Amino acid sequence: DVKVTQSSRYLVKRTGEKVFLECVQDMDHENMFWYRQDPGLGLRLIYFSYDVKMKEKGDIPEGYSVSREKKERFSLILESASTNQTSMYLCASSLVSWASGAYEQYFGPGTRLTVT
Amino acid sequence: AQKITQTQPGMFVQEKEAVTLDCTYDTSDPSYGLFWYKQPSSGEMIFLIYQGSYDQQNATEGRYSLNFQKARKSANLVISASQLGDSAMYFCAMRVPDTGRRALTFGSGTRLQVQP
Repeated sequence: DVKVTQSSRYLVKRTGEKVFLECVQDMDHENMFWYRQDPGLGLRLIYFSYDVKMKEKGDIPEGYSVSREKKERFSLILESASTNQTSMYLCASSLVSWASGAYEQYFGPGTRLTVT
Repeated sequence: AQKITQTQPGMFVQEKEAVTLDCTYDTSDPSYGLFWYKQPSSGEMIFLIYQGSYDQQNATEGRYSLNFQKARKSANLVISASQLGDSAMYFCAMRVPDTGRRALTFGSGTRLQVQP
């Protein structure tokens, strides 16, 4: 079974702190994603990576950066946390496929981040 | 641009009854994939079912079926014989490979509550 793990289920940080959210997958997937989930907005893509050291901005990258130094690990960084970054953060991974979208993404359990 | 619309923020269903969760999508590309995910209160996203735009038949997975109406651009999820464990958030999502976007585009979700 594919497993995607995230370093914390719950995290409380103060405004201005640097925050690291870690994600690890064990299925040798090329693609890894960070989404943010807010009520009424569904999941929105922050960043994704298609290979080691490769990354692309998603729909809402402002205030975030990412790092992928190893294939299995994808980190989301909040350089200076703000209260509007309080949210649920979900990591996902998937294989590469150029078929008609026929690959699923596997998600981690999520990290609920509160910035006070 | 790709867009997924879920117009039902919340739904109630009696145990053992069938329920339909609505999803409409918008894309001008002929090749795309549609997904449904379930998110229980634990937070983890669980893949339920996939439908490709060129698939001739509606997808089915156990008690889940996808009512795919291409002309209407709808991809409704039908859950037969609802169980208490079906209470969760349900998200419809889409991927359009030819846009180069590897991530999924999600709707805002529907919260389903199954009543005994």
